[in-house]
Amino acid sequence: AQSVAQPEDQVNVAEGNPLTVKCTYSVSGNPYLFWYVQYPNRGLQFLLKYITGDNLVKGSYGFEAEFNKSQTSFHLKKPSALVSDSALYFCPGAGTASKLTFGTGTRLQVTL
Amino acid sequence: DVKVTQSSRYLVKRTGEKVFLECVQDMDHENMFWYRQDPGLGLRLIYFSYDVKMKEKGDIPEGYSVSREKKERFSLILESASTNQTSMYLCASSLQRSVGEKLFFGSGTQLSVL
Repeated sequence: AQSVAQPEDQVNVAEGNPLTVKCTYSVSGNPYLFWYVQYPNRGLQFLLKYITGDNLVKGSYGFEAEFNKSQTSFHLKKPSALVSDSALYFCPGAGTASKLTFGTGTRLQVTL
Repeated sequence: DVKVTQSSRYLVKRTGEKVFLECVQDMDHENMFWYRQDPGLGLRLIYFSYDVKMKEKGDIPEGYSVSREKKERFSLILESASTNQTSMYLCASSLQRSVGEKLFFGSGTQLSVL
């Protein structure tokens, strides 16, 4: 069965510090991996995706994610967090010929 | 930019009522999706559609049906609402039929069934 896991319900980081939001996947075939962000009372917004190519994917708002095949991970990173990055982050994934599966999300809290 | 509009932001209904949730996208996208979002469960796919008058079941279709009479509109129907259908409902669309396409989401409808 296809699955993605976000092992942390919440991540806390101080503004200006680097942030990492973790995601691991288990899919058949080549993985399709995404990151979406949900701000309060809003729908989800696309940040970035990995299909093939470079393992380091750059996305919106200064975020990037690193695809690691050996660790089956696709962690989201940003060098310097902002308070405005505080939101709920989702890492959906899919394998070849399968539907997108969402995890439970990770709440990022950035404080001054 | 693509706009996905859900007709209601908040909705309160009674048990047993028939409920319609409407979703419209303005960018001629082929695919449309309905998800529900619950704390601790993330997003779960209810139904999706790759074409007009076409529908496919997602992971949790029980208690729901859908209608896609026009390309831009995808409706979610709760035939007889129950309290366990209280949830945030999110509509999404994507340009083409590929799992690699990014999704564009509406702002969501928070449905409460009393």
